[in-house]
Amino acid sequence: KQEVTQIPAALSVPEGENLVLNCSFTDSAIYNLQWFRQDPGKGLTSLLLIQSSQREQTSGRLNASLDKSSGRSTLYIAASQPGDSATYLCAAVTGNQFYFGTGTSLTVIP
Amino acid sequence: DGGITQSPKYLFRKEGQNVTLSCEQNLNHDAMYWYRQDPGQGLRLIYYSQIVNDFQKGDIAEGYSVSREKKESFPLTVTSAQKNPTAFYLCASTAETGKVAVTQYFGPGTRLTVL
Repeated sequence: KQEVTQIPAALSVPEGENLVLNCSFTDSAIYNLQWFRQDPGKGLTSLLLIQSSQREQTSGRLNASLDKSSGRSTLYIAASQPGDSATYLCAAVTGNQFYFGTGTSLTVIP
Repeated sequence: DGGITQSPKYLFRKEGQNVTLSCEQNLNHDAMYWYRQDPGQGLRLIYYSQIVNDFQKGDIAEGYSVSREKKESFPLTVTSAQKNPTAFYLCASTAETGKVAVTQYFGPGTRLTVL
């Protein structure tokens, strides 16, 4: 069964700093790898989707990379802002199932 | 305004009661999912449905039941057999399954508390 791990569990950075969130998965036979954002007490919002044949995807200040062979993905956030404070979850997608990590709780300090 | 609605936002259950959480989507999506989220844990799959009148158990289906009589609706019943139901419940949907570029859309969640 696919196991997804996210490190660190929590991260606190000053505003303006660039940062990297990590996601690892055990089974490389994935359709895609997705990153989501969750605000406290809310549902998840999709941020980026990287298909298994791709190496990276970018959206604004966010850049996600995928290395299937090593079972790793990273989410890079440039010039962090207080509004980026949230929990970030990655999901490895196989067939019709999404396997989620436990998330990284990010706090950006003004 | 397309999306997924969940109701109620907060739900309180007494011991021994069954309760039903509502999930409705107007995205015309085929597949729908129910997840449970506990503090410090990732999302755990309870049930999913790829088509009307069909659904499959996820990793933690014991103590829960679902139905899929209409494409847009996927209610979840938390039965008295579920011993620790206090959690945040999330409903999600996808346009189709088994494709490489499909993402999930989530509802706002229902927080269930056992009194």
